[in-house]
This record gives sequence, structure tokens and C-alpha cells, in this order.
Amino acid sequence: KQEVTQIPAALSVPEGENLVLNCSFTDSAIYNLQWFRQDPGKGLTSLLLIQSSQREQTSGRLNASLDKSSGRSTLYIAASQPGDSATYLCAVSPRSNDYKLSFGAGTTVTVRA
Amino acid sequence: ETGVTQTPRHLVMGMTNKKSLKCEQHLGHNAMYWYKQSAKKPLELMFVYSLEERVENNSVPSRFSPECPNSSHLFLHLHTLQPEDSALYLCASSLGLARSDTQYFGPGTRLTVL
Repeated sequence: KQEVTQIPAALSVPEGENLVLNCSFTDSAIYNLQWFRQDPGKGLTSLLLIQSSQREQTSGRLNASLDKSSGRSTLYIAASQPGDSATYLCAVSPRSNDYKLSFGAGTTVTVRA
Repeated sequence: ETGVTQTPRHLVMGMTNKKSLKCEQHLGHNAMYWYKQSAKKPLELMFVYSLEERVENNSVPSRFSPECPNSSHLFLHLHTLQPEDSALYLCASSLGLARSDTQYFGPGTRLTVL
């Protein structure tokens, strides 16, 4: 069974600092990995999706890397802003043709003005 | 705002009540999902429907009863719930059940069981 871990569970940084969020998974047989953002009491918004054959994806200030062999992904957010305060979740899709996503518990980020 | 809507957004109920959660998707998708999100825990998949047929029932207690009358609507009927059922219930939809079909999430219903 795939286990997804996100450390730390919470992170507080001053505005302008770069954010580094970690995601690890136990089974490297994945199809893709996705990073989501969740605002308090809200649903999930997809930020970046990395296919298993890719090493990284970028969107604006966000960059996600994937090291499938070591079971790790990192989400970098450059020059953080208070509006980046949210919970960030990672989810992996299995290599088998299966819809079941395995989610981490998330990292809650607070960016202090 | 996503193409998946959920009502109500907040619900408080007693253990003896009966209530229903509603999800509607406007994306022309054929698959719909119910997830439970408890504090500090990963999302748990509860039910999956494809073309109105249930394809997944992830060992969910019978006090949760899903219904999918058509591919655009999904309900979760609740009765005799327990306080530990308090959580955020998220609905999602996807074009199909292939691994390449991205899931789109609704805003969730925050459920509190007293």
C-alpha cells in the first residue's frame, strides 16, 4: 500500500523567504505526482502535476521536482507572500491504470507579513 | 470557482438526525467521488461512481449512503452519525476512471456531529 508523508506538518516563514515543502512516498511505481493547495475550509486546487518521466515542473514562482527512485518530491515557492498561506497537499497516482490517489496529510504554511 | 459545487457548505447535526450532502458537477464528467478529510489526516476515498454505477465502496460504515441519480449529481445521505464522523467531506469528478483523468474537487461540506 502506498504511503505518502509530508514533513513538516506546519511551517511559518517571514514574507520574502523561499519555501521548501517535502513529500515522500514508499512505492516508486507511480504514474504522476500532483501538488494541491487548500485554503481553510475549502476544496483542493491543483498547482502542478509531474509525470513519472519528468524531473520537474514550473509555474510562475512555483517549482516542483520529482526523484522517483528515491520516492521524493519537493515544492519550492520563491519569494513567499502572505497570500501563499495555505495547506499544501501532495498526491501520487499509481502506475497501474487506477484512479486511486494516495494523499499526504499536508503542510500548513503561514507567511508572516 | 471550480466546476464542482457542493451544498450545504456547513452542516451541524445531532446523532439522531438524517441529512444529505449534495454535489453537482458542470464539467461533463462521467466519474464522481466522495472523500473524507479529517484534521491532520490524509484524504480518505469513500465512494466512487462511474456512469452512475458504484465502483468503489471503501469499507465505509452503512450510516453513510451514497446516491448517484445521473452523471452530474452525487448525494451522500447521512443517518445516526457519530461525533468522529465530523470532518470536511469533499466531492470530486473526473472525465473517466483512467489514471490520466484529472480529478477536480469541490469546496467541501464542513460537517459537525454533536
